Amino acid sequence: DQQVKQNSPSLSVQEGRISILNCDYTNSMFDYFLWYKKYPAEGPTFLISISSIKDKNEDGRFTVFLNKSAKHLSLHIVPSQPGDSAVYFCAAVSASKIIFGSGTRLSIRP
Amino acid sequence: IAGITQAPTSQILAAGRRMTLRCTQDMRHNAMYWYRQDLGLGLRLIHYSNTAGTTGKGEVPDGYSVSRANTDDFPLQLASAVPSQTSVYFCASSEKESGELFFGEGSRLTVL
Repeated sequence: DQQVKQNSPSLSVQEGRISILNCDYTNSMFDYFLWYKKYPAEGPTFLISISSIKDKNEDGRFTVFLNKSAKHLSLHIVPSQPGDSAVYFCAAVSASKIIFGSGTRLSIRP
Repeated sequence: IAGITQAPTSQILAAGRRMTLRCTQDMRHNAMYWYRQDLGLGLRLIHYSNTAGTTGKGEVPDGYSVSRANTDDFPLQLASAVPSQTSVYFCASSEKESGELFFGEGSRLTVL
């Protein structure tokens, strides 16, 4: 049973518009939530995180929103740029274990 | 700064053979992890180590073993490889409890 779910395998967004990536989780004991970005043939890289006691964290073009009652988090990228095309993984931390979702492939089109 | 170094980058292995995937970090991080990445399944945790001398099981530990003799090294062993272990394996380390991981470049393993 997946504790962290990304239900959209892929997303296509026009350059300059907002990209919204979604993630759902089942375990209310998670302490932190994170987003990672992965290019082909490279390891994932950390993008942004949020503590379970917060509902929003912003870093430049990237904002993560956490809705604890819905057990849902989202990553907003605005404006979207060609270099944002990658696979995005959400992850959740509990008791030293970091559990990842299945990923969403974001494609930014001209 | 190298960060996380994984070896080999790629390997083709006959079923039933023994294999060790090597992982070394130079950041003196306490925690280290092994993940496998499979299409449609994302990154799944195999084993982890919170500090030298301790290890723990992740989501998919069967068929794999790890050891953490020192802070820097965290090898992943496959005692008898099977085709379902064909995957890309990522090693990672972390200092913070918040889960900010530093990943290696990955090791692509094919078991025939």
